[in-house]
Amino acid sequence: KAGVTQTPRYLIKTRGQQVTLSCSPISGHRSVSWYQQTPGQGLQFLFEYFSETQRNKGNFPGRFSGRQFSNSRSEMNVSTLELGDSALYLCASSFSGGAQETQYFGPGTRLLVL
Amino acid sequence: AQSVTQLGSHVSVSEGALVLLRCNYSSSVPPYLFWYVQYPNQGLQLLLKYTSAATLVKGINGFEAEFKKSETSFHLTKPSAHMRDAAEYFCAVSSPSGGSYIPTFGRGTSLIVHP
Repeated sequence: KAGVTQTPRYLIKTRGQQVTLSCSPISGHRSVSWYQQTPGQGLQFLFEYFSETQRNKGNFPGRFSGRQFSNSRSEMNVSTLELGDSALYLCASSFSGGAQETQYFGPGTRLLVL
Repeated sequence: AQSVTQLGSHVSVSEGALVLLRCNYSSSVPPYLFWYVQYPNQGLQLLLKYTSAATLVKGINGFEAEFKKSETSFHLTKPSAHMRDAAEYFCAVSSPSGGSYIPTFGRGTSLIVHP
């Protein structure tokens, strides 16, 4: 079974631009979560999608948005990039987002904003 | 509200020595607790999880953790460290929100293993 894949793996953008990151979950998984990882703030939850609906959202500004497609693939978009958006963005999938379920993480997309 | 505190941003041990990584949590409801490992340039991998069954949880790579409700702790241990255990370790607590369970992660502990 293929794992969670994220594209691209590395990205360099400049302030003010926008970026779209993609995540393909494990086959059969319908819950996809996104996290931002930085040295200063650690791992922070961005949002979770289940069956094309955003079910939970973390404490991030509206510049951060996402969506999920019918095949469970998910994208997240960051508009008007700021220097502080430089981070490793991790995607995780699970079958339904249940309490006891294991989340499987992708390798992440490393975004550098100049 | 839930939170996780990992004591010590860095822990250094010699190869073959006991590994102890500390995690304390707070949660308003019975928690689910997890330990993840992250190797350089990789995502997180689940080591083990506590889901209200046995309080002593055994995971992969020889790691185990004990849930102590009275101490609100979930410390990770391994009897004998290997060089390949050098990585970042994250403790997480999960409780229900909006129909699913969103984990809150600790700040991580970097395990350094000396030859």
